[in-house]
Amino acid sequence: SQTIHQWPATLVQPVGSPLSLECTVEGTSNPNLYWYRQAAGRGLQLLFYSVGIGQISSEVPQNLSASRPQDRQFILSSKKLLLSDSGFYLCAWSLSQTSGRFYEQYFGPGTRLTVT
Amino acid sequence: AQTVTQSQPEMSVQEAETVTLSCTYDTSESNYYLFWYKQPPSRQMILVIRQEAYKQQNATENRFSVNFQKAAKSFSLKISDSQLGDTAMYFCAFMKRRGYGQNFVFGPGTRLSVLP
Repeated sequence: SQTIHQWPATLVQPVGSPLSLECTVEGTSNPNLYWYRQAAGRGLQLLFYSVGIGQISSEVPQNLSASRPQDRQFILSSKKLLLSDSGFYLCAWSLSQTSGRFYEQYFGPGTRLTVT
Repeated sequence: AQTVTQSQPEMSVQEAETVTLSCTYDTSESNYYLFWYKQPPSRQMILVIRQEAYKQQNATENRFSVNFQKAAKSFSLKISDSQLGDTAMYFCAFMKRRGYGQNFVFGPGTRLSVLP
C-alpha cells in the first residue's frame, strides 16, 4: 500500500533563516505531488504541484520554492523565512493522469511551522 | 477560476443524529470531480467521499452520502448516525484535469462538533 511521509512534524525557525521541508511517497511510481499551506482555522492553499522529476508549477508568488530531485521526493524550501510563512504545511500525492484513479489526493501528516 | 464556498463555518449535532454540510462551487467546466475531506484534531486529511460530475447517482460511503445538484452547482454532505469520532473540520474540494496534472480547489471548511 502507499504511504506518504513528511518531516519534520514541527519546526520553529527565526525570521530570515532557511527552510527545508521534505515529503516522500512509498508504494507508487510517478505520482503527482503537491504542497499546500493551511493557515490557522483556514482552508488549504495550493502552493506547488509537480507531475514529474524537475517539473514544478507554482500557484502563487511567494517566498517559497519547491524541488523534486527524485520521483517520490518533494522538497519545500525558502532562503529566508518571513513571519507570514508560519502555518501548517501539507504534502499530498495523487496518481498520474495516465494511471487509473488519478482523481484522488492523499495527504501526509503535515508539518507545523512557526516563524518567530 | 474555480471557487468553492462553504457557508457554515461551524456546526454541531447530537450523537446519533443526522447533519448536512453545505458546499457550492463555481465553474464553467462540464467534466470534474468533487470531494469531501475530513481533518480531525490530529490534522491528518482523510478522504470521505467523492463524486464524478458525469454521474447522476449520488455517492454513498456507509454513513456518509452526498446530494449532488449539478445545475445548481451544489454538493452537500449528509452524515447519518453521527459519532463522536466525526468531530472534525470538513473540506469540500473541486478537481478538474489540467494538462498532465489536476487542479484541486478547497473550500474554507466547516468545523463540525458531535455532542454526546
